Amino acid sequence: EDQVTQSPEALRLQEGESSSLNCSYTVSGLRGLFWYRQDPGKGPEFLFTLYSAGEEKEKERLKATLTKKESFLHITAPKPEDSATYLCAVRGGSQGNLIFGKGTKLSVKP
Amino acid sequence: NAGVTQTPKFRILKIGQSMTLQCTQDMNHNYMYWYRQDPGMGLKLIYYSVGAGITDKGEVPNGYNVSRSTTEDFPLRLELAAPSQTSVYFCASSYPTDRGVPTDTQYFGPGTRLTVL
Repeated sequence: EDQVTQSPEALRLQEGESSSLNCSYTVSGLRGLFWYRQDPGKGPEFLFTLYSAGEEKEKERLKATLTKKESFLHITAPKPEDSATYLCAVRGGSQGNLIFGKGTKLSVKP
Repeated sequence: NAGVTQTPKFRILKIGQSMTLQCTQDMNHNYMYWYRQDPGMGLKLIYYSVGAGITDKGEVPNGYNVSRSTTEDFPLRLELAAPSQTSVYFCASSYPTDRGVPTDTQYFGPGTRLTVL
């Protein structure tokens, strides 16, 4: 069964304290791994797509990496405005629809 | 462009009532989706559409119906609302690649928070 597991469920950081969020997945025929950001009361906002092991993408303080079993979202020197829930999803399986993890809620304190 | 818009933002229904959640996009996207998000859970796909007149079931379609008469609109119908349908509903859209498959960037609306009592 296709599955996405994100850890930790919640992460509290001080401003400037770098860390990583994990997304492990089990899917038949991975056709992309996606990171979204979701602010309270809003819809998810697209961040990155990764397609193959070893691929990396960056955007401001965020960098996403991919291996054959998991992806990491590295946050360097976070700011309070980076506080949000970060969602990981994979596309695979017979229908090729997105399968989402439960998300990691990130709080960055000044 | 307004992007993906959803109405209403909030709604309370009584058990057994029916309602339609509206979704409109102005980006001329072929692909549209309905998801539900329960507290502490991942987004689950309810229905999707690859173009006007074409819809298909996702992971959790029971208790819902959809239609797609235009490119812009993709309403979700709840018949005989049940407490298990209490959730936040998101509509999303994406555009096809040159080969007719969806691109990987899905654009989400702001959501409709539905409570069934």
